[in-house]
Amino acid sequence: ILNVEQSPQSLHVQEGDSTNFTCSFPSSNFYALHWYRWETAKSPEALFVMTLNGDEKKKGRISATLNTKEGYSYLYIKGSQPEDSATYLCASLPNTNAGKSTFGDGTTLTVKP
Amino acid sequence: EAQVTQNPRYLITVTGKKLTVTCSQNMNHEYMSWYRQDPGLGLRQIYYSMNVEVTDKGDVPEGYKVSRKEKRNFPLILESPSPNQTSLYFCASSDKGPRNTIYFGEGSWLTVV
Repeated sequence: ILNVEQSPQSLHVQEGDSTNFTCSFPSSNFYALHWYRWETAKSPEALFVMTLNGDEKKKGRISATLNTKEGYSYLYIKGSQPEDSATYLCASLPNTNAGKSTFGDGTTLTVKP
Repeated sequence: EAQVTQNPRYLITVTGKKLTVTCSQNMNHEYMSWYRQDPGLGLRQIYYSMNVEVTDKGDVPEGYKVSRKEKRNFPLILESPSPNQTSLYFCASSDKGPRNTIYFGEGSWLTVV
C-alpha cells in the first residue's frame, strides 16, 4: 500500500486568509495525483488531476502545484471564504498499477467568518 | 445529467445475509471503482475495473466481490456481510482511466448488525 500523507490534519483560518496544504506521495512510480474537495454529507468533488512534474492548475481561488521528483503537491486557497470549509483529499495513482489509488487522510479546513 | 448512481443509499442488514450494492454511470466511462470510508482511515479502494470484464483488487478487497459485465454497471457484492463491513461506500467512474477526472456517486451507508 502506498503511503500518502497530508498535512496539516486540520486548519482553522479567518475569512480572507490565504492558506495551503501539503500532499506527500512516493516519488518513484508516479502516474497521477488527484485533489478532491469533500463537504460533509456530500460525495468527493474532483478539483484537479495532475500528471506532469511542474504542473500548476487553477480553478478560481484554488490552485495546485506538483513536484513528482520529490513527491509532493501543494494546494493553495487564496482569500478563504466560509464556503471553502471542507475536507481536502489527495489521491496518488502508481504507474505500475494505474487503476489503483491511495488516498491521504485529508486536511479539514474551517473558515470562520 | 451526467451521474454515478448507487443503490441502496442506506441499508441496515444482518450478518451473513448476502447483499449487492449497485452502481451505474451514464457517461460511458471505462474506469469504475469502489471505495469505503471509515472514521480515521480515510477512503480506501476495494476493487476497480479498467473496462468491461477487467477487474482488479484495491487495498481492501477481502469480503467483497465485483463484476463488470457491461460498461455502465459495477455492482459490489458482499457474499456474507460482517459487522466490520459497516461503512460508507462510494462508487466512482472516469473516462478512459483514472488519469482523468473521477466522478463519485453519492455514497451508500451500510450497517451490518
